[in-house]
Amino acid sequence: EVQLVESGGGLVQPGGSLRLSCAASGLIFSNYAMSWVRQAPGKGLEWVSAISGGGGSTYYADSVKGRFTISRDTSRNTLYLEMTSLRADDTAIYYCAKDLDYSPGDAFDVWGQGTLVTVSS
Amino acid sequence: IQMTQSPSTLSASVGDRVIITCRASETIDRWLAWYQQKPGKAPKLLIRQASTLMTGVPSRFSGSGSGKQFTLTISSLQPDDFATYYCQQYRTYWTFGQGTKVEIK
Repeated sequence: EVQLVESGGGLVQPGGSLRLSCAASGLIFSNYAMSWVRQAPGKGLEWVSAISGGGGSTYYADSVKGRFTISRDTSRNTLYLEMTSLRADDTAIYYCAKDLDYSPGDAFDVWGQGTLVTVSS
Repeated sequence: IQMTQSPSTLSASVGDRVIITCRASETIDRWLAWYQQKPGKAPKLLIRQASTLMTGVPSRFSGSGSGKQFTLTISSLQPDDFATYYCQQYRTYWTFGQGTKVEIK
């Protein structure tokens, strides 16, 4: 069974930084693109960032471009999201999600349980 | 690409036929998925490529459409189906609709 487990969320002050992790199991991690999707409290889903299976291609939503960095460590089967210059509107549950393909560009068939990031002073 | 779902909220009874509509701001061919999300849970992929049902998803769910207009149909609503449904385009990056909450009438 494929499982994704996020960690690293918490309370951070505006302007601060945080690194999220997503540990994957039950799959050949490098075979699949991965994404981060967030959901503000009581709101809908927003795609944040994606990375190809090999890690060579990355993509970002305009709302986070230049502030967030996605990466992956195949040896650790782990996906990361480095978040800097955090703002109040970054407050959300952050989900990692598995793409159906190696190259980003398909639907997301497996999701983690999410980790909450709260940006507040 | 903007995705617009309608309605935002839908009140229905067990056994009802439910139709949710999703419209794209430009053509996305059939690069569309539907997800179900229950409170406090992660989304679950129901349908991809506009009409391909994922393994394990009950056959009462179906999807149709192409280009800009798509629908998700639940042929006979069951108690487990009360949830929020999202469409998602993946022709150009990924964009979700705002969601449709299916609630008990």
